[in-house]
Amino acid sequence: DAKTTQPPSMDCAEGRAANLPCNHSTISGNEYVYWYRQIHSQGPQYIIHGLKNNETNEMASLIITEDRKSSTLILPHATLRDTAVYYCIVRVVGSAGNKLTFGGGTRVLVKP
Amino acid sequence: EAEVAQSPRYKITEKSQAVAFWCDPISGHATLYWYRQILGQGPELLVQFQDESVVDDSQLPKDRFSAERLKGVDSTLKIQPAELGDSAMYLCASSAPSGDYNEQFFGPGTRLTVL
Repeated sequence: DAKTTQPPSMDCAEGRAANLPCNHSTISGNEYVYWYRQIHSQGPQYIIHGLKNNETNEMASLIITEDRKSSTLILPHATLRDTAVYYCIVRVVGSAGNKLTFGGGTRVLVKP
Repeated sequence: EAEVAQSPRYKITEKSQAVAFWCDPISGHATLYWYRQILGQGPELLVQFQDESVVDDSQLPKDRFSAERLKGVDSTLKIQPAELGDSAMYLCASSAPSGDYNEQFFGPGTRLTVL
């Protein structure tokens, strides 16, 4: 699975949009981009995933560049409960294993 | 909403002792994963089961770690003997094939401290 690069930390103001970047320049054509987050002392939680097109759900939006070498997770209106470590992961769906290879993630602190 | 259950939530043990962690996946999920997360790092896969069979245990330290899922439902991860470096969060996750992706659902984890 391709390696991802994320900033180690970022702050965000409550009520504002949080834009979390992720670089995955070696992504293959059959690899999806996944985002998970981990709130302190809890297990990781799935947020969203995509292949080529931009995706949106009740939690967030995922914007993938046309060349698929980078993506941005957008939390449209950050709340204090969004404070967590956010992991960007790329992997082949249906590959033998389906394991998630976590990097260091981005530690997001939402401030009042 | 169905959840992955893990117990205990916290475990303190002395080095050279044996410890065991239990995981009950979401009902119907055939795939079960055990991850280890060292403080400040992302989780790392230790072992993956498909039903009762091990699919991937390449990162499992087999000299001291063992995992089983005898009936293809719940699972136990054992460490014997525990070492100081085993202090970490042990996370269990499960997934079921669903369309074109396999979302993994994680349990709350077991935090192990080895003294």
